[in-house]
Amino acid sequence: EPEVTQTPSHQVTQMGQEVILRCVPISNHLYFYWYRQILGQKVEFLVSFYNNEISEKSEIFDDQFSVERPDGSNFTLKIRSTKLEDSAMYFCASNPGQGVNEQFFGPGTRLTVL
Amino acid sequence: GENVEQHPSTLSVQEGDSAVIKCTYSDSASNYFPWYKQELGKRPQLIIDIRSNVGEKKDQRIAVTLNKTAKHFSLHITETQPEDSAVYFCAASPNRDDKIIFGKGTRLHILP
Repeated sequence: EPEVTQTPSHQVTQMGQEVILRCVPISNHLYFYWYRQILGQKVEFLVSFYNNEISEKSEIFDDQFSVERPDGSNFTLKIRSTKLEDSAMYFCASNPGQGVNEQFFGPGTRLTVL
Repeated sequence: GENVEQHPSTLSVQEGDSAVIKCTYSDSASNYFPWYKQELGKRPQLIIDIRSNVGEKKDQRIAVTLNKTAKHFSLHITETQPEDSAVYFCAASPNRDDKIIFGKGTRLHILP
């Protein structure tokens, strides 16, 4: 069964550094999302992406964040200048669209900012 | 925007008994309500969902109910088993391809 994949599984970075989290959504899916989950807390929506552009973003998704689908396969989340509070698990999800709203989550990338 | 409240935050039930988790939502435009199970360190996995044109849905030991008037929805797990121990999240979405707004989660412990 096809799955969403994410790399790396764990990323450690210094405060102020840029990080790129990578996701490969399920082939033929049309909608893509990033969520984050701070340890022990709920899953929070960051951004949705459709037809090569952002369709919606949350208050968390400020100017430090950006997303890209550079090659029709990968879907990336970039944090330009990481802060301590960016430490969290970041989940990518994809959705086939066409009226099917099941979002398939990837295994997550644990980001630790020191 | 949508806000989803979930309770209880922790629930312990004896193996074989039933567990009920309740959620409320604020946006009357929400029409899709998934439930996710998350085991420690793992991704959220969809276990059941319900759409606003349906009041109840059942899948083996799991059932969900939806009261659109009151903006309440609930998850019922019957004949609980040790493998049901996990964190369960309710969620709401205003349309079929949109973001999902999660509740804070319920940690379910199944006691032997």
